[in-house]
Amino acid sequence: DAGVTQSPTHLIKTRGQQVTLRCSPKSGHDTVSWYQQALGQGPQFIFQYYEEEERQRGNFPDRFSGHQFPNYSSELNVNALLLGDSALYLCASRSAGIGSNEQFFGPGTRLTVL
Amino acid sequence: AQSVTQPDIHITVSEGASLELRCNYSYGATPYLFWYVQSPGQGLQLLLKYFSGDTLVQGIKGFEAEFKRSQSSFNLRKPSVHWSDAAEYFCAVGAWNTGNQFYFGTGTSLTVIP
Repeated sequence: DAGVTQSPTHLIKTRGQQVTLRCSPKSGHDTVSWYQQALGQGPQFIFQYYEEEERQRGNFPDRFSGHQFPNYSSELNVNALLLGDSALYLCASRSAGIGSNEQFFGPGTRLTVL
Repeated sequence: AQSVTQPDIHITVSEGASLELRCNYSYGATPYLFWYVQSPGQGLQLLLKYFSGDTLVQGIKGFEAEFKRSQSSFNLRKPSVHWSDAAEYFCAVGAWNTGNQFYFGTGTSLTVIP
């Protein structure tokens, strides 16, 4: 059983560009959350997707957007990249069923903005 | 407001010595509590979790944690540290009624000396 997978592993962009990161949830999971982990910090919640809709959002600007597909996979898009967007982006999945409180994290995508 | 505090930024212990990593939380709802470990360049691996019931929970790799509601703490312990335990440790809190948005501490970096 594959866990949460993310692509690409690493990415280098320049300021002002746009980037798309991808996540495939663990089998049987239907809810995907995205987190940003800056160097030396804990992960910060960006948003969560369920039933192809954004259900919750953290304190991130509109430059950060996402999408969830019918197969539950998800994308994170960041427009007009800033140097401060350099971070490890983590995807987490869980089942929306009652009692399913544990999230499983992927290995992350390391984004570097130059 | 929800928050997680890990007071110790960095801890150094000798191999074979005992370990305690501190975590304090502030959360309006009944919290679910987690400890994750992250090796360099890796994603997050769940060590243990507390949802309800027995306040002393056992996890993987010989770790345990104790939930103390009166102190709003969830400290992680291990009786005998191994060199392979060197990593970054994150405490996180979430709740069912907030859609399981996780709040993470800033992490504690553990160094193990021979």
